[in-house]
Amino acid sequence: QLQLQESGSGLVKPSQTLSLTCAVSGDSISSGSYSWTWIRQPPGKGLEWIGFIYHSGTTYYNPSLKSRVTISVDRSKNQFSLKLTSVTAADTAVYYCARENDYSWFDPWGQGTLVTVSS
Amino acid sequence: EIVLTQSPVTLSLSPGERATLSCRASQSVSSYLAWYQQKPGQAPRLLIYDASNRATGIPARFSGSGSGTDFTLTISSLEPEDFAVYYCQQRFNWPPLTFGGGTKVEIK
Repeated sequence: QLQLQESGSGLVKPSQTLSLTCAVSGDSISSGSYSWTWIRQPPGKGLEWIGFIYHSGTTYYNPSLKSRVTISVDRSKNQFSLKLTSVTAADTAVYYCARENDYSWFDPWGQGTLVTVSS
Repeated sequence: EIVLTQSPVTLSLSPGERATLSCRASQSVSSYLAWYQQKPGQAPRLLIYDASNRATGIPARFSGSGSGTDFTLTISSLEPEDFAVYYCQQRFNWPPLTFGGGTKVEIK
């Protein structure tokens, strides 16, 4: 059964870079033609798609974040990563990783990790 | 960017009642719409995809309908575990993929 687990720094200072990793277990990140996604949710608010990376390495980002986001894959570690530069308090959120299912919808999701931007 | 507007924001109902949630798109998304359920402290869970197909393991009391710009999620008879927040999401026109603002189904 595919499982995803986010990890990374829970506290980031303003103007610094947020870095998170999503460890994949139960399947190879290189199998199939799925995309691997990052989504975030500010406390008490709705969901925002950040971007995803396809098995081919092609990436797509939310235009509102594109200038600050990088998503990459490390096949040797069976994980993928998110980097968000120049963070502000508005980037405080629970960050989720997810994979597309066979019908191109987000399923499953990781449990999420809270990242707080504060000095 | 396609904007998804969910209504109502909050729905107060009792167990056993029928819940009807709406998601309206700012332009047609054909049938490329999904519904997710989120409980406090948990990640969202896929309920319905392609507007009307139940995801694996989702009970038959959940159903989805609609196409184009107007979509509905119906819970035929609310169980205690169904009180949660529900989000719709489109993947017809992207980037960006977009979500609705959510509907909270609370116990009356």
